[in-house]
Amino acid sequence: QKEVEQDPGPLSVPEGAIVSLNCTYSNSAFQYFMWYRQYSRKGPELLMYTYSSGNKEDGRFTAQVDKSSKYISLFIRDSQPSDSATYLCAITPVYTGNQFYFGTGTSLTVIP
Amino acid sequence: SQTIHQWPATLVQPVGSPLSLECTVEGTSNPNLYWYRQAAGRGLQLLFYSVGIGQISSEVPQNLSASRPQDRQFILSSKKLLLSDSGFYLCAWSVPPRGETQYFGPGTRLLVL
Repeated sequence: QKEVEQDPGPLSVPEGAIVSLNCTYSNSAFQYFMWYRQYSRKGPELLMYTYSSGNKEDGRFTAQVDKSSKYISLFIRDSQPSDSATYLCAITPVYTGNQFYFGTGTSLTVIP
Repeated sequence: SQTIHQWPATLVQPVGSPLSLECTVEGTSNPNLYWYRQAAGRGLQLLFYSVGIGQISSEVPQNLSASRPQDRQFILSSKKLLLSDSGFYLCAWSVPPRGETQYFGPGTRLLVL
C-alpha cells in the first residue's frame, strides 16, 4: 500500500468553478500535510502546508485535513486559467529528514 | 529570503557520457538537501538526501551518485549515462530538525539519447 494516494484526474473545469483535489494517506504518524502546484516543465511550488485537522485558508485556496479519515483536500474557489497546473499532495511525519511522500499529482485545466 | 538554483535547465547527453548537475541554496544554513527524479506522468522518486557536508544517503540503487562538497551545494553525478536516466531532476531543501516542508528548485530536464 502506498503511503499516499491521489486522485489522478485529469480535471477540466470552467473558469470560476470550485475545484476539489483529494488525497488519502495510510499512516497516522504523518503530521504535516502540504500541497504543491507544478506548472509544466517547472519545479513544484509550495502552496500551503498544515499540521492540524480542520481548514486552513489562503486567498482562494483552502487546505482541509481530516486525520480521523486520513483524508486531505485542497479547494480552489473562483478558479482561473492561471490555476491550470498539476497539483501534488505531500505528507511527512517530521523530524525524519527523508520521509516525504508525494502523491502522483492531479492535472487541472481551467477553461476560460 | 531563501533561493534555490539548479543548472543546467536542459541537457541532452549521449548514452555512456558523464553527468554533473548542480544545485545551490542561498539564504539558509545547514539545510537538508534532496535529489528527486520525476518521470513523465509519474510521481517524485527520492534519489539522495543529505543532512550535512559529505553526508549522503542513497534511497535507490542506481547509476547515479551525489556529493555535498559545501554546506549549500549538492551535486548529482553519473560516470556513464543510461537511456533510463532520462527525466526531470529536482533539487529540494528543508530546514532541520523538523523538516516539515520542502522547497524545490526549477529542475533540470535530462534527455539521454
